[in-house]
Amino acid sequence: TQLLEQSPQFLSIQEGENLTVYCNSSSVFSSLQWYRQEPGEGPVLLVTVVTGGEVKKLKRLTFQFGDARKDSSLHITAAQPGDTGLYLCAGEVNAGNMLTFGGGTRLMVKP
Amino acid sequence: NAGVTQTPKFRILKIGQSMTLQCAQDMNHNYMYWYRQDPGMGLKLIYYSVGAGITDKGEVPNGYNVSRSTTEDFPLRLELAAPSQTSVYFCASRALPWTGELFFGEGSRLTVL
Repeated sequence: TQLLEQSPQFLSIQEGENLTVYCNSSSVFSSLQWYRQEPGEGPVLLVTVVTGGEVKKLKRLTFQFGDARKDSSLHITAAQPGDTGLYLCAGEVNAGNMLTFGGGTRLMVKP
Repeated sequence: NAGVTQTPKFRILKIGQSMTLQCAQDMNHNYMYWYRQDPGMGLKLIYYSVGAGITDKGEVPNGYNVSRSTTEDFPLRLELAAPSQTSVYFCASRALPWTGELFFGEGSRLTVL
């Protein structure tokens, strides 16, 4: 059982479509991060959210941290083939140092 | 800039053999982590360390051991390898807890036959 549940597990869309992926937990997180991983490489940080209700934008990507700090979402506008990859959320419970990851959402954007 | 360096990149082990995956970082980070990633899945935390001489178990520590004698090095030991340990192993480090960015190595692909 994963502390962080991500949905959907797989998503295949056409270029130009919008999408949202979710990261949910029953635990409260002191902070939550989103990473993207490409095949054969380690994950790379996209964003960190700390405050409940926080919204951060990174070009076409919008990240939101739930008010209760138990969930987060990633919205991509007008997806491009370059957005293809594995999207991972990661968080720490109660400001501890055990940084755990969700199971990931594998996104494929077709031209 | 080397960052996080893992060796070896690939290894095939026979059941029951033991080996050590090496991890070194040159960023003077106190926080270091070992994760495993099975095909198509997320990362599961094996062990982590908040500084030299301090290690803690993560989500899936059974079958593994770690040590942290220096800030730079955080080796992962596999004892009595089993097919269930076939995976890609990632070492990562960060400067700050809570919000610090994790920097990952390139991974070590281990197959146990």
